[in-house]
Amino acid sequence: NAGVTQTPKFRVLKTGQSMTLLCAQDMNHEYMYWYRQDPGMGLRLIHYSVGEGTTAKGEVPDGYNVSRLKKQNFLLGLESAAPSQTSVYFCASSYKRPYGYTFGSGTRLTVV
Amino acid sequence: TQLLEQSPQFLSIQEGENLTVYCNSSSVFSSLQWYRQEPGEGPVLLVTVVTGGEVKKLKRLTFQFGDARKDSSLHITAAQPGDTGLYLCAGTFNAGGTSYGKLTFGQGTILTVHP
Repeated sequence: NAGVTQTPKFRVLKTGQSMTLLCAQDMNHEYMYWYRQDPGMGLRLIHYSVGEGTTAKGEVPDGYNVSRLKKQNFLLGLESAAPSQTSVYFCASSYKRPYGYTFGSGTRLTVV
Repeated sequence: TQLLEQSPQFLSIQEGENLTVYCNSSSVFSSLQWYRQEPGEGPVLLVTVVTGGEVKKLKRLTFQFGDARKDSSLHITAAQPGDTGLYLCAGTFNAGGTSYGKLTFGQGTILTVHP
């Protein structure tokens, strides 16, 4: 009963490096989301997907790219990491209605 | 951009006390959810409300959705140390189209229940 699995759990990057965060769900959910959580800022939507092969921008998409080649996987890429991208990243998935999310346990990313 | 205001930001109480957390918006929610998050973990869904005036109970937790669907409250009766955590409200706003389930989150209420 895995739910939503995120890898890695922790990562330290140097400014300018790139990386990909992996999210996998086994609940056959249509919708998947990437959020970042920062102190005092709450959770903010980066990108989302409403189905395999589709992606769309959220509230704070700059500096990130995503792909959903398979329904169960949603990948978040950082092209050239910046210190401002230091954050905790959460992946979530849901059915179409009533939109209750299942979250992963997060990836704590530090960019130095 | 729709905004959710959650209050209070911090709540520190003794075991056995009651408490209420509020969530307000200037826009009408199409649905509203409450989550609880513990340190190092992702948020966990507590409840979803969609109908104005709706009241849902989950053991000692009571959730209320305002008649106009612009506000919600979470009331905990006889709080216990195990209730300690970050409580988040989150809403979807259709604004004439479909939200695709995109949630706008409040900043959260950090609850500490002392034994």
